[in-house]
Amino acid sequence: ETGVTQSPTHLIKTRGQQVTLRCSSQSGHNTVSWYQQALGQGPQFIFQYYREEENGRGNFPPRFSGLQFPNYSSELNVNALELDDSALYLCASSPLPIAGAAFFGQGTRLTVV
Amino acid sequence: GQQLNQSPQSMFIQEGEDVSMNCTSSSIFNTWLWYKQDPGEGPVLLIALYKAGELTSNGRLTAQFGITRKDSFLNISASIPSDVGIYFCAGQGRSGSRLTFGEGTQLTVNP
Repeated sequence: ETGVTQSPTHLIKTRGQQVTLRCSSQSGHNTVSWYQQALGQGPQFIFQYYREEENGRGNFPPRFSGLQFPNYSSELNVNALELDDSALYLCASSPLPIAGAAFFGQGTRLTVV
Repeated sequence: GQQLNQSPQSMFIQEGEDVSMNCTSSSIFNTWLWYKQDPGEGPVLLIALYKAGELTSNGRLTAQFGITRKDSFLNISASIPSDVGIYFCAGQGRSGSRLTFGEGTQLTVNP
């Protein structure tokens, strides 16, 4: 059974650019959630995808968008990058959207300069 | 929105000592989860609690789901150097499976 994998592990982008982060969910898990973790803080919920539809969204602007594919993998897209977008972006998968523990990938460290 | 207060913020202990940390919430949660995060890594699930009053152990770790459903604690017995890291509590409410995280407890174990 494979765990949650994210790519890339590190990324440096310039303010105003766009970025796409990728996540492969754990085998058997159909729900993927994305979190942003700023340095020294706990992860903050961005949004969740279930059956290729957005199923809940946190307090993030529309320039944060996502996709889920039929194989349950997911992408997080961020447009018009700002310096404050620099953070560790975490993907988590779970077997059901309503209950069940979430298992995290190793994260993508995004630095915006 | 929901807020989780996690304490203490940091702990410095000697190897072999027991550790206790807790989380309190202004809102009810249906699930409490405890994670450990090492630098540059994603959080790793330690214990999941699904029922008010539930007490669950995982090796030297014990966690409880508070009876009011607004709090949870994690105990680590006989700490060892590899217990070093940041411990996060997370609550899952009725609105879906989004997790609300505490601010973390930084644990340092001196050998």
